Amino acid sequence: DSGVTQTPKHLITATGQRVTLRCSPRSGDLSVYWYQQSLDQGLQFLIQYYNGEERAKGNILERFSAQQFPDLHSELNLSSLELGDSALYFCASSVAGVTDTQYFGPGTRLTVL
Amino acid sequence: GENVEQHPSTLSVQEGDSAVIKCTYSDSASNYFPWYKQELGKGPQLIIDIRSNVGEKKDQRIAVTLNKTAKHFSLHITETQPEDSAVYFCAAENFGNEKLTFGTGTRLTIIP
Repeated sequence: DSGVTQTPKHLITATGQRVTLRCSPRSGDLSVYWYQQSLDQGLQFLIQYYNGEERAKGNILERFSAQQFPDLHSELNLSSLELGDSALYFCASSVAGVTDTQYFGPGTRLTVL
Repeated sequence: GENVEQHPSTLSVQEGDSAVIKCTYSDSASNYFPWYKQELGKGPQLIIDIRSNVGEKKDQRIAVTLNKTAKHFSLHITETQPEDSAVYFCAAENFGNEKLTFGTGTRLTIIP
């Protein structure tokens, strides 16, 4: 158990819908990272937040957004969902920067029908 | 941006033998190289990492080597055991970019 929690574990929705994925980092970690893992794209970095502020951005679509709240939990919002958004979404946390060990949560499996 | 290539994509080894997974990276400024193990239904877990000021690092049966000139790094697992079966990912990070770029993964199967 990494100490990072993600909810829900599974999510099934329809195209065009909007969903919110939630992540609680390990106690004491200030950074949260979001990754998308699909069969054909591997593990792709989406976005990083540090202590409530966006710190780095990867290949995140405009339809996706994230935020980190004062209690350091983070949410990833996915809107206007398409079939291709079906994937595993992982959250990771670290003490501060990216060269600190990243601890991954168990992931949320999103299926868009 | 950074590009990380990982080989092989699948690897089967007899229990007790060694396994080697290789990665190359494109950005000569990258200076942090972690390796992650992902078991079925779980998130990736860091197993070892190396920084650019070190050429080799070992942790029990696992070792990582880094050749900065050639821009490649490798994971070595000795005396493999069935519980080593998993998908392994290498990654590279350029300090200042604040993001990890992952390889495409190697599915390692240990044959009892």
